[in-house]
Amino acid sequence: DGGITQSPKYLFRKEGQNVTLSCEQNLNHDAMYWYRQDPGQGLRLIYYSQIVNDFQKGDIAEGYSVSREKKESFPLTVTSAQKNPTAFYLCASSGQREYEQFFGPGTRLTVL
Amino acid sequence: SQKIEQNSEALNIQEGKTATLTCNYTNYSPAYLQWYRQDPGRGPVFLLLIRENEKEKRKERLKVTFDTTLKQSLFHITASQPADSATYLCAQSLGGSYIPTFGRGTSLIVHP
Repeated sequence: DGGITQSPKYLFRKEGQNVTLSCEQNLNHDAMYWYRQDPGQGLRLIYYSQIVNDFQKGDIAEGYSVSREKKESFPLTVTSAQKNPTAFYLCASSGQREYEQFFGPGTRLTVL
Repeated sequence: SQKIEQNSEALNIQEGKTATLTCNYTNYSPAYLQWYRQDPGRGPVFLLLIRENEKEKRKERLKVTFDTTLKQSLFHITASQPADSATYLCAQSLGGSYIPTFGRGTSLIVHP
């Protein structure tokens, strides 16, 4: 089955701790994205990567970091500098020069 | 700045009726508009894409229109069913960019 996976589905962390969210795709897509979704809000772009070993900041990159060492993987680290990290995090991918995005199931992060 | 707006109020309709959701944008006409469906706690799923030079696109019970004069896209679900209940997201892509900007989404509730 081709698709995009995120793990874990639920994540709890103490305030001040860094946490890494996993995103893997086997769709052979070049581009990958991280979004944050808060209740009543749309998806806000955190980071995106259009090719391996390259990534760009989105609209709300502060307090987050990413890496893109492999085409299939685009992990997101939520650092202690992120002031309000509790949210639903969505990873997506798309083919080269394609607009349609394929989303993972999401990770709900709760910082206690 | 370019904005995309969807009605934040939930749309309640009776089964069998046509649901119509609205997406408005400001300033520049997007090159592409996309519509996604999102169920609670899950990632969005792509439904339809319409280009700036297209007036209408159909897929089964779904229809999307794009009116550059009104700066608006309408999303219709005919013969609606309770299973169509979900949040529907509109996303715009400006010319030259494959990265969409998402609206907040409109919740649709179809009553049996």
